[in-house]
Amino acid sequence: DVKVTQSSRYLVKRTGEKVFLECVQDMDHENMFWYRQDPGLGLRLIYFSYDVKMKEKGDIPEGYSVSREKKERFSLILESASTNQTSMYLCASSSTGGPFEGQYFGPGTRLTVT
Amino acid sequence: AQKITQTQPGMFVQEKEAVTLDCTYDTSDPSYGLFWYKQPSSGEMIFLIYQGSYDQQNATEGRYSLNFQKARKSANLVISASQLGDSAMYFCAMREWNQGGKLIFGQGTELSVKP
Repeated sequence: DVKVTQSSRYLVKRTGEKVFLECVQDMDHENMFWYRQDPGLGLRLIYFSYDVKMKEKGDIPEGYSVSREKKERFSLILESASTNQTSMYLCASSSTGGPFEGQYFGPGTRLTVT
Repeated sequence: AQKITQTQPGMFVQEKEAVTLDCTYDTSDPSYGLFWYKQPSSGEMIFLIYQGSYDQQNATEGRYSLNFQKARKSANLVISASQLGDSAMYFCAMREWNQGGKLIFGQGTELSVKP
């Protein structure tokens, strides 16, 4: 079974703090993704990566950065957390081969910025 | 423009009845895939069913089936014999082949199953 894990289920940070969210997958997937989920807006893509050290902006990259130094690990960084970044953050991974390329998700991190 | 539209923010269904969750999509890519995910209150996204744009038959997975109407660009999820454990958020998503591995999600539908 594919397993995607995230470093924390719940996180509370103060405004201005630097925040690291980590995601690890164990299926040797090439692709990794970070989403945020807000009520009524569905999932919105923040950043994604197709390979180690590669990153591409998604739909809402402002205020975020990412790092992928190893294939299995994809980190989301909030350089200076703000209250409007309070949200649910979901990490996902997928392979690039075959017609079915669904994404496998981690359990999510509920981040509150006060 | 919205690429994936789910017009039902919330729905109720009686236990053991069938329910249809609507999803319409918009793409000019002839090759695409459509997905449905379930998100219970615990937050994890659970893959339910997949339909490829070239698939001739509607996808089925147990109690889940996907009513794929290509000309209408709709991909509705049908859940037969609803169970209390089906209460959750449901998301429709699309992957366009020329956009790499990215998925585009709809806004979601919250389904509540009544005993």
